[in-house]
This record gives sequence, structure tokens and C-alpha cells, in this order.
Amino acid sequence: DAKTTQPNSMESNEEEPVHLPCNHSTISGTDYIHWYRQLPSQGPEYVIHGLTSNVNNRMASLAIAEDRKSSTLILHRATLRDAAVYYCILTRGTSYGKLTFGQGTILTVHP
Amino acid sequence: NAGVMQNPRHLVRRRGQEARLRCSPMKGHSHVYWYRQLPEEGLKFMVYLQKENIIDESGMPKERFSAEFPKEGPSILRIQQVVRGDSAAYFCASSPPGRGAFNEKLFFGSGTQLSVL
Repeated sequence: DAKTTQPNSMESNEEEPVHLPCNHSTISGTDYIHWYRQLPSQGPEYVIHGLTSNVNNRMASLAIAEDRKSSTLILHRATLRDAAVYYCILTRGTSYGKLTFGQGTILTVHP
Repeated sequence: NAGVMQNPRHLVRRRGQEARLRCSPMKGHSHVYWYRQLPEEGLKFMVYLQKENIIDESGMPKERFSAEFPKEGPSILRIQQVVRGDSAAYFCASSPPGRGAFNEKLFFGSGTQLSVL
């Protein structure tokens, strides 16, 4: 499986931007980069995904490095509800949702 | 459009009993996945099903665990003769079909917390 590396934890203040990094140096050309998050006592929630170009949606932005060996999930204005574990996942060689969740990054948001 | 529905939300069983976990995918989704999250561990893929077919069960324990997704009705994850080590959160997810590398969203339910006494 393609491996991703994320910091164990990060902290932010409410209403400030948050940049969550992910390294994936062994990414292949057909791997999509997916981000999910899991709030306490809930199931994972899709955040965003992309292949090569930067992506934006109502929840977040995904910035992908030109060599695709790293990416950054950007929350433009963190709220207390964004406190969660964030997972960066590569979908390698599969046409279905068999995702390999790592340990993720625990994001703490301070009021 | 209702999301992925799982029930029960909490299930308590004594050792040796059977546990049945149910999952109704999002409307229009014919692909169902089961994941398990053991205490203090990450989410692990268990099984991927389409209607009446098991496509990938590589993450399922070889014994006591089975899954089905019948033509009508919800998907069922069945655990026979439960042991304490089966205590975990079990999440179901659904998606539309993908083509090539997976480029779809997985929609997860809220999970079933199984506690084995």
C-alpha cells in the first residue's frame, strides 16, 4: 500500500487558517489523494480529494505539490466543530473504496 | 436523501452470543463496505460487497465473521460466538461504482458500537 505520513497532532485557534500536511513520496501517477476526517464518536466524513490540480470545495482546499509527493489540506477558518482526526489516504490500484486509514492528525481547535 | 443508516447504534452481547449489524446504504448506492475500529486503533477495511456478491473480503477474520448484501434489504455483518476482542466500532460505508483508480466519495454511517461482556 502507498504510505502517507502525517503529524500526530496539530493545534489551531478558532477562526484561524489551518494547514494540515501529508507526505506521500511513493505516490504513483494514478493515485488519488483523499482526505477524510472523523469527529469524536462518529463515522469518517469525506472532506476532499484530488489528483494533480489544487481542489476547492465548501469544506476545505487541497493543495498538491507539483511533484505530487506531498499535499496540504487547508481549512480556511477553523471552528470548534473542525476538531477531529484528519486522514490523508491514497487510493492505489483499486477501483473501489478499500481505503487504508493511518493514524491521522489529531486537530485541536482552541476557542 | 438519507445518509448511510446503521443499526443498532449500540449493541451489547455476552460472550458466545451472535451479533447482527445492519446497514442501509445511501439511496442509489449499490456498493457497501464494512470497516472496524478497535479501541485505540485505526479504521481497518473488512469487506466490500455489491448486491448479492462479496467482492473483497480480505479484511474479514476467517472464522465467525460473515457479511451479506441481499437483493432486497440492508447489508448484514454477522459475528457468531462473539468474544471480548470483537468489541469495537463497526462502520458501514457506501459509494457509487468507480472506474479505474477510485475517484468517488465514501459515505459512512455513524457506526455500531459493539460491546462484548
